[in-house]
Amino acid sequence: GAVVSQHPSRVICKSGTSVKIECRSLDFQATTMFWYRQFPKQSLMLMATSNEGSKATYEQGVEKDKFLINHASLTLSTLTVTSAHPEDSSFYICSAPEAAGGIDEQYFGPGTRLTVT
Amino acid sequence: GQQLNQSPQSMFIQEGEDVSMNCTSSSIFNTWLWYKQEPGEGPVLLIALYKAGELTSNGRLTAQFGITRKDSFLNISASIPSDVGIYFCAGRPTSGGYQKVTFGTGTKLQVIP
Repeated sequence: GAVVSQHPSRVICKSGTSVKIECRSLDFQATTMFWYRQFPKQSLMLMATSNEGSKATYEQGVEKDKFLINHASLTLSTLTVTSAHPEDSSFYICSAPEAAGGIDEQYFGPGTRLTVT
Repeated sequence: GQQLNQSPQSMFIQEGEDVSMNCTSSSIFNTWLWYKQEPGEGPVLLIALYKAGELTSNGRLTAQFGITRKDSFLNISASIPSDVGIYFCAGRPTSGGYQKVTFGTGTKLQVIP
């Protein structure tokens, strides 16, 4: 149980275009999902908390107009990187909390590698 | 903001050796988590700790929640090549998966067969 998927796993886009990344909870419902960004050889940095049916909560320093989050259903959250630039190239990872095996914690997706050229 | 420092930053060990790594915080946490991340993948939860002083095992892995609530330790016994990866600690001031966590800086482990 507690499987989280992401799509696509890799994407390359041109500077100025927008890219949508999907995060799905496959065998459970998630009213909350978290979006992280990870630069090479660095730790995971929380970008925002996605809330089903309401606005996302963004961490300090994260531009909400650039990183659009939509949590339209109990199993799907999307992150859209608008007007992407090369500095947005990163590994984007989502997670969703679930009580699996008696442990109530966040379970992570496999990540999406975004490269902006 | 809160920071979690892990040490060592990286380590090379011989297969069969035991490994120890730790994580320290500038503030108190009431939940400590240990994750492993392999290249190109998302982190996988290894151990969750919820009580100061708690010692929890998962196979060859053992983690402890420090008494001060500002640190945690992870030990891996009899390392094998598949232990290779980056180990992250994570902390949270409250309990419950719906609360956000802060990740540590990571310890990169490489095992020499």
